[in-house]
Amino acid sequence: TQLLEQSPQFLSIQEGENLTVYCNSSSVFSSLQWYRQEPGEGPVLLVTVVTGGEVKKLKRLTFQFGDARKDSSLHITAAQPGDTGLYLCARGGTSYGKLTFGQGTILTVHP
Amino acid sequence: DTEVTQTPKHLVMGMTNKKSLKCEQHMGHRAMYWYKQKAKKPPELMFVYSYEKLSINESVPSRFSPECPNSSLLNLHLHALQPEDSALYLCASSRRQGGADTGELFFGEGSRLTVL
Repeated sequence: TQLLEQSPQFLSIQEGENLTVYCNSSSVFSSLQWYRQEPGEGPVLLVTVVTGGEVKKLKRLTFQFGDARKDSSLHITAAQPGDTGLYLCARGGTSYGKLTFGQGTILTVHP
Repeated sequence: DTEVTQTPKHLVMGMTNKKSLKCEQHMGHRAMYWYKQKAKKPPELMFVYSYEKLSINESVPSRFSPECPNSSLLNLHLHALQPEDSALYLCASSRRQGGADTGELFFGEGSRLTVL
């Protein structure tokens, strides 16, 4: 089983602060996805990164894929209460078709 | 708005009841999934259907019985469940199972199941 280690597990911050969530693996993966799940909803795909060293931006969210394709990070600038939710990284793209999720980061942004 | 529709949103059932969860997608996706999610935990894969055939069963107890009537529909039949089966049940779809499209999943909003 190729595990994804996600950190931190919990993050409680004030509106306007910056934060970074990390996702690490001991093995190389061909692609990595980030999902956000708001309370009472299903996870929603934010981004997929596939190329080592890749950086993608989605408004105030910046996603990076490590050069060696073993790690990824999600950085949120000037967090807002609407960013509150469970953030999940997931390894995909295998022929087996089974998505492996990290343990998740529960983010709470206080007004 | 999600393009994967799940019904019902909430379900309360006793341990002797038989109920079903339903999922529908109209994105032309050929792979559909059932996940179980406990509070503040990541989703756990239960079943995968690829081209309407069951391709993955993650050793799920037989009290959960999946069914894929056609490429747009996925059901999960529930019978003789236990209180520990209470969870959020998520349906998802992808263009196909694995492969070059990186297996990106589109989730429904989930069905919140409570077993008394």
